[in-house]
Amino acid sequence: DVKVTQSSRYLVKRTGEKVFLECVQDMDHENMFWYRQDPGLGLRLIYFSYDVKMKEKGDIPEGYSVSREKKERFSLILESASTNQTSMYLCASSARTGNSNQPQHFGDGTRLSIL
Amino acid sequence: AQTVTQSQPEMSVQEAETVTLSCTYDTSESNYYLFWYKQPPSRQMILVIRQEAYKQQNATENRFSVNFQKAAKSFSLKISDSQLGDTAMYFCAFLTTSGTYKYIFGTGTRLKVLA
Repeated sequence: DVKVTQSSRYLVKRTGEKVFLECVQDMDHENMFWYRQDPGLGLRLIYFSYDVKMKEKGDIPEGYSVSREKKERFSLILESASTNQTSMYLCASSARTGNSNQPQHFGDGTRLSIL
Repeated sequence: AQTVTQSQPEMSVQEAETVTLSCTYDTSESNYYLFWYKQPPSRQMILVIRQEAYKQQNATENRFSVNFQKAAKSFSLKISDSQLGDTAMYFCAFLTTSGTYKYIFGTGTRLKVLA
């Protein structure tokens, strides 16, 4: 089975801190994604990566950056945390077969609170 | 731009009964994938079922089946013989086959199965 592991289930940080959320997948997937999940808004894409060192902005990239130095690891960085970034963060990965992308596999999520 | 709409924020069903969750989408693409994902309370999001738009036959996975109406751009999920373990948030998602990596998610339907 594919395993997508997020480093923390719960995290509490203070306003202005630099926050790192880590995600590791063990299936050699090409694609990796970071979403935030808020009630009534569903999943909103922050950033995604289709290859090592490649990244593309999603729908809500402001205040975030990402890093993908190795294929299995995709990090989300909150440069200066703010209270409106309190949310559930989900990491996902998927394989690419030719020109076709396969279903996503998700991690357990990180519930981040910014005080 | 593609959109996915889930018009039922919450639903409930008696154990052993059948329930249908609705999803509509908007796209100008002719070929794409549609997915239903399930997120149990405090647990990982998992894939329930997948439909490829060029296949006319509705996908089925055990108690889960879809009613895919391509002309109407509708993709509903039917759960038969509902079980307590089906209690979860259900998300409908869309992915084109044009090579983009962006999945579009609906806002979700919270389903509660009652004993």
